Amino acid sequence: NAGVTQTPKFRVLKTGQSMTLLCAQDMNHEYMYWYRQDPGMGLRLIHYSVGEGTTAKGEVPDGYNVSRLKKQNFLLGLESAAPSQTSVYFCATYPGTGRFFGYTFGSGTRLTVV
Amino acid sequence: AQSVTQPDIHITVSEGASLELRCNYSYGATPYLFWYVQSPGQGLQLLLKYFSGDTLVQGIKGFEAEFKRSQSSFNLRKPSVHWSDAAEYFCAVGARPLNNNAGNMLTFGGGTRLMVKP
Repeated sequence: NAGVTQTPKFRVLKTGQSMTLLCAQDMNHEYMYWYRQDPGMGLRLIHYSVGEGTTAKGEVPDGYNVSRLKKQNFLLGLESAAPSQTSVYFCATYPGTGRFFGYTFGSGTRLTVV
Repeated sequence: AQSVTQPDIHITVSEGASLELRCNYSYGATPYLFWYVQSPGQGLQLLLKYFSGDTLVQGIKGFEAEFKRSQSSFNLRKPSVHWSDAAEYFCAVGARPLNNNAGNMLTFGGGTRLMVKP
């Protein structure tokens, strides 16, 4: 059981390039989230999804797009990367029903935009 | 909207000493509260959580936390720190009641980096 898998683990982009981060989960969780982590700012929510085919904006959505075409995958896209998007990106999941025991996190993607 | 403040960005303690990491939250009612730990280069691991009932909650790795409604705090404690506890610690708050349509978002504090001296 792999849990939550994020790919890639590391990436360096040039300003203006695009890329997609993939979050894949095998736990049949309904809810999926993308957070970014920056020093001193904790984790801030970018976008989230409450089920296949749904997405919603979080606290810091500008410059990012997401898609949830399949229940197990949640994609985060950067159309035109900027240095301000240098960060560590975490995907998290939650079953969506039953008692809320918190999230399951992936191991993160470290992105550097130069 | 809820918010979380972790006043200490860095804390250094000696191995074997006691530890307390502070967490203050802002929320209109009693929230769900969590502490997560992140080792270098790793994801976040849940240490403990508070939903209701006993205000002193026990977690993994010998950690505990106490919910104090009057102080809007949820401080994390450990009686004797081990070198392997060096990591970054995050406090998080979730709104209650959790509404499926609202997405069950957690709001995180800025984190406290713990260093352990031998």
